[in-house]
Amino acid sequence: EIVLTQSPGTLSLSPGERATLSCRASQSVSSSSLAWYQQKPGQAPRLLIYVASSRATGIPDRFSGSGSGTDFTLTISRLEPEDFAVYYCQQYGGFPWTFGQGTKVEIK
Amino acid sequence: QVQLQESGPGLVKPSETLSLTCTVSGGSISGYYWSWIRRPPGKGLEWIGYIYYSGNTNYNPSLKSRVTMSVDTSKNQFSLRLSSVTAADTAVYYCARSHSSRSHLDPWGQGTLVTVSS
Repeated sequence: EIVLTQSPGTLSLSPGERATLSCRASQSVSSSSLAWYQQKPGQAPRLLIYVASSRATGIPDRFSGSGSGTDFTLTISRLEPEDFAVYYCQQYGGFPWTFGQGTKVEIK
Repeated sequence: QVQLQESGPGLVKPSETLSLTCTVSGGSISGYYWSWIRRPPGKGLEWIGYIYYSGNTNYNPSLKSRVTMSVDTSKNQFSLRLSSVTAADTAVYYCARSHSSRSHLDPWGQGTLVTVSS
């Protein structure tokens, strides 16, 4: 099983600042089969990024993904008020599919 | 656009079987892989498994002995059964779609809270 470790657990930032979220895999994720999701309280997770760096339909270009192998990053270039949420990474390159434990981006 | 909606009992007794259904609207269930994912209170997301529209399944080994998934293409629905539940199975359960056996999950249902308690 591929274990995904996200850091930091909580990121305290102000609107307009840059957010950098990390997702590290215990073994290489094949074909960069990694996605990022955003979840707000009471809502379903929303796909942001797939195959490590492709933005999903309708996702603003302030969200970007990068990385390969075991190290992946989600960057939010300038935080908007609606971006404060929990972010999860997920790998689907090997079974079982697994998720990171999440990074909470909170208002400082 | 495609929408998913989970339904089922919100309370299940210990040792009994949890049963949930996901109804797909705005599109066909055919040609896709359909997953169940859960999030226990205060914890992260756990993938339970998926079922292909043809009925082929792939379960998480951690739950495999207790999980059964089924699909009803005539109703555009798929279902989850989890047997011998305990308090550790209390969670928000989500259904979601994938385009292939190795693909991201999109869209997701809103989720339904299932509590295991006597």
